[in-house]
Amino acid sequence: DAGVIQSPRHEVTEMGQEVTLRCKPISGHNSLFWYRQTMMRGLELLIYFNNNVPIDDSGMPEDRFSAKMPNASFSTLKIQPSEPRDSAVYFCASSPPRGTTRFLETQYFGPGTRLLVL
Amino acid sequence: DQQVKQNSPSLSVQEGRISILNCDYTNSMFDYFLWYKKYPAEGPTFLISISSIKDKNEDGRFTVFLNKSAKHLSLHIVPSQPGDSAVYFCAATDNAGNMLTFGGGTRLMVKP
Repeated sequence: DAGVIQSPRHEVTEMGQEVTLRCKPISGHNSLFWYRQTMMRGLELLIYFNNNVPIDDSGMPEDRFSAKMPNASFSTLKIQPSEPRDSAVYFCASSPPRGTTRFLETQYFGPGTRLLVL
Repeated sequence: DQQVKQNSPSLSVQEGRISILNCDYTNSMFDYFLWYKKYPAEGPTFLISISSIKDKNEDGRFTVFLNKSAKHLSLHIVPSQPGDSAVYFCAATDNAGNMLTFGGGTRLMVKP
């Protein structure tokens, strides 16, 4: 199994540019999560999809951020326009269908995209 | 306001000794707690968890203790090994169990 795949692994861009981060979850997983890691705030949940439908986007910082999941095998997180304070590591995670027991320990993280906005 | 806090950003321990990582939470609705481990350039991986109906859960060298009245949990690693050097995140969830709230992480360095 290839695990959760994220691209690009590193992104350097200038303030005002559009940034698109991509994620391919593990096949068969039906929940997908986008997180952001910063020194100040640690690991924050941005948005959570279940069966391709956004369930909770309360963690999305502002309207400059948007996320989509057009199908079960692909999701994007877009920042437009980007700002220096968006610099962080962005993680995508996926988890399998929830069974009769807690599933949270089976949330698998991708390697992350390190974003630097100059 | 952070609902899950790890007040020690870093911890240094000698190989073979005990590592104790601490985590505090404020949301009394949290009833399930997890620890994740993260190596550089990798995503976090699940390490160990505990339900609020227990006060201790052990898995090999790793033990998590939960003190509900103090809203505090800790991760003990005994004995510590250099390969344990990583960032450790504490996480919590409520009864709905859909989302995790993470702490800021503690960087553990185990010296040979």
